[in-house]
Amino acid sequence: QKEVEQNSGPLSVPEGAIASLNCTYSDRGSQSFFWYRQYSGKSPELIMSIYSNGDKEDGRFTAQLNKASQYVSLLIRDSQPSDSATYLCAVKDGFNKFYFGSGTKLNVKP
Amino acid sequence: ETGVTQTPRHLVMGMTNKKSLKCEQHLGHNAMYWYKQSAKKPLELMFVYSLEERVENNSVPSRFSPECPNSSHLFLHLHTLQPEDSALYLCASSQDRRLAGPYNEQFFGPGTRLTVL
Repeated sequence: QKEVEQNSGPLSVPEGAIASLNCTYSDRGSQSFFWYRQYSGKSPELIMSIYSNGDKEDGRFTAQLNKASQYVSLLIRDSQPSDSATYLCAVKDGFNKFYFGSGTKLNVKP
Repeated sequence: ETGVTQTPRHLVMGMTNKKSLKCEQHLGHNAMYWYKQSAKKPLELMFVYSLEERVENNSVPSRFSPECPNSSHLFLHLHTLQPEDSALYLCASSQDRRLAGPYNEQFFGPGTRLTVL
């Protein structure tokens, strides 16, 4: 069973702070890694994808991947109340299957 | 229409009803997925169709039956459901790995909120 683990939270940060979200995965054959944001009652929205070790930055978001440690993280700089949502980590295997974590709920307090 | 669309957005059905969920993708993708999302549980992959091949999750009860007539349309036929099947059903699409390699991002539709009475 391929597993993706996330801390369910909630993670509370003040507005303007850096939010750090973490994810570990069990399948060493995993090829692609994604972060989705899901607001309550809505569907997941893709915010970042990362495929190689290191950092990838997009605006206020930075994804970090360490395949040796089977670890992927998402940093949100200058957190805003609108960032309050559940963040899902997803991992794709060598086929067409995506595996999702249970999500981390982020609360950004004004 | 853009992205991935799903109809209906909300559905209430009795245990003896038969209904179908519809999904359409406008992204030029060739892999489509059905997921189930229950409260406080991870997204559960139900079915994958890719380049006309179906990959099935063996834990999905036979009361759920998928149909993929072409690469843009996906259906989920429902019959004799149970109350525990009440959930958000999400459709998603991506490029098949054989065409896009690992660089195949997956995009979701808005979902169908299903309630089984």
